[in-house]
Amino acid sequence: DQQVKQNSPSLSVQEGRISILNCDYTNSMFDYFLWYKKYPAEGPTFLISISSIKDKNEDGRFTVFLNKSAKHLSLHIVPSQPGDSAVYFCAASAGGNTGKLIFGQGTTLQVKP
Amino acid sequence: GAGVSQSPRYKVTKRGQDVALRCDPISGHVSLYWYRQALGQGPEFLTYFNYEAQQDKSGLPNDRFSAERPEGSISTLTIQRTEQRDSAMYRCASSPKGESEQFFGPGTRLTVL
Repeated sequence: DQQVKQNSPSLSVQEGRISILNCDYTNSMFDYFLWYKKYPAEGPTFLISISSIKDKNEDGRFTVFLNKSAKHLSLHIVPSQPGDSAVYFCAASAGGNTGKLIFGQGTTLQVKP
Repeated sequence: GAGVSQSPRYKVTKRGQDVALRCDPISGHVSLYWYRQALGQGPEFLTYFNYEAQQDKSGLPNDRFSAERPEGSISTLTIQRTEQRDSAMYRCASSPKGESEQFFGPGTRLTVL
């Protein structure tokens, strides 16, 4: 029962273009969503988050969009840089600030110079 | 300051042996989480603590898995009578107090032969 799904295992984008990573969820109790970035041989690092009371959150080149009715969120990276090449995980939590995270399978982003 | 550290980084053991995995959270962080990550998947929640109290252990697969955090700082995840299916990356994370923005350690790669 995969409550958080990232259906694209990989994505390749040219440097300077937009990268769009997608995530779908099934549990309507989720009220907080996060994106983590992971480089090889390192643990995931927090990138950006969004509360269910918002539909957009922006931090520099990174913007997360939330569509609650579609149970869908996306991460936009503009412009993409080679250093953005990593595995990106979508995660969700439910019912207050418990911190228990449910992760998607991850999407490997490759940004080509 | 120092991040989350985990030891050992790699552990190879024979089926049937017990293993203990250690996590040192960021100093002062109240909440500590354990996740397991299979190859090509996202982290899967196992259990978490606030201070020394285990708040949620719903993700522990069976009673061979246990965790403790007796003084509210360092935590140990113990797997008794290991089986080959226990082979995975075990990740620890911490946060100041239950926040979803968790800081992950580098993980312990467990291989059960």
